[in-house]
Amino acid sequence: EAGVAQSPRYKIIEKRQSVAFWCNPISGHATLYWYQQILGQGPKLLIQFQNNGVVDDSQLPKDRFSAERLKGVDSTLKIQPAKLEDSAVYLCASSLVLAGAQETQYFGPGTRLLVL
Amino acid sequence: KQEVTQIPAALSVPEGENLVLNCSFTDSAIYNLQWFRQDPGKGLTSLLLIQSSQREQTSGRLNASLDKSSGRSTLYIAASQPGDSATYLCAVRPWDYGGATNKLIFGTGTLLAVQP
Repeated sequence: EAGVAQSPRYKIIEKRQSVAFWCNPISGHATLYWYQQILGQGPKLLIQFQNNGVVDDSQLPKDRFSAERLKGVDSTLKIQPAKLEDSAVYLCASSLVLAGAQETQYFGPGTRLLVL
Repeated sequence: KQEVTQIPAALSVPEGENLVLNCSFTDSAIYNLQWFRQDPGKGLTSLLLIQSSQREQTSGRLNASLDKSSGRSTLYIAASQPGDSATYLCAVRPWDYGGATNKLIFGTGTLLAVQP
């Protein structure tokens, strides 16, 4: 079974530039998550989709971050404009169903972003 | 607000030693608790998931315990091997009365190095 795919793996940009990340979840997984992991910290949930609808985006900085999930499959996360503090690893995860007690999330390898 | 703390932040042990990683959380209203492993440049891999009604879970050389009332979990690794070297993250899923989200609150992780 193929895992969660993410691209690019690395990205270096200057502040105030724009950047976009792409995620392809495991086939058949209805729920998709984007996390931000700053160096030395645990991942923090940015946004959660159920199919193509947003379930939770309470921690997404909406003035600069946006995300969409087209047709309930692939997803893109965009930052515009980027700030120095956005330097982090952006992890995408997916799970089969939303509220199952035994449900675990499967993570992709992440995109490492450096903002100069 | 739920907060998750992990100690120690880093640990170095000789091969073959048994070790314990600690995780504490401030709010006992949790749905479940998971331990993840994160290797450099890779995503997170779920190791063990403990339901709030359970006391422990075991998988091979790994044993995780949960004391919800005191807000603590431990991950016990028996007979450590160099291949166990990684960052170990603890995450709790808060109890949502609405049942709509699957948010995970992560700790900052413990970086484990097992010396050959």
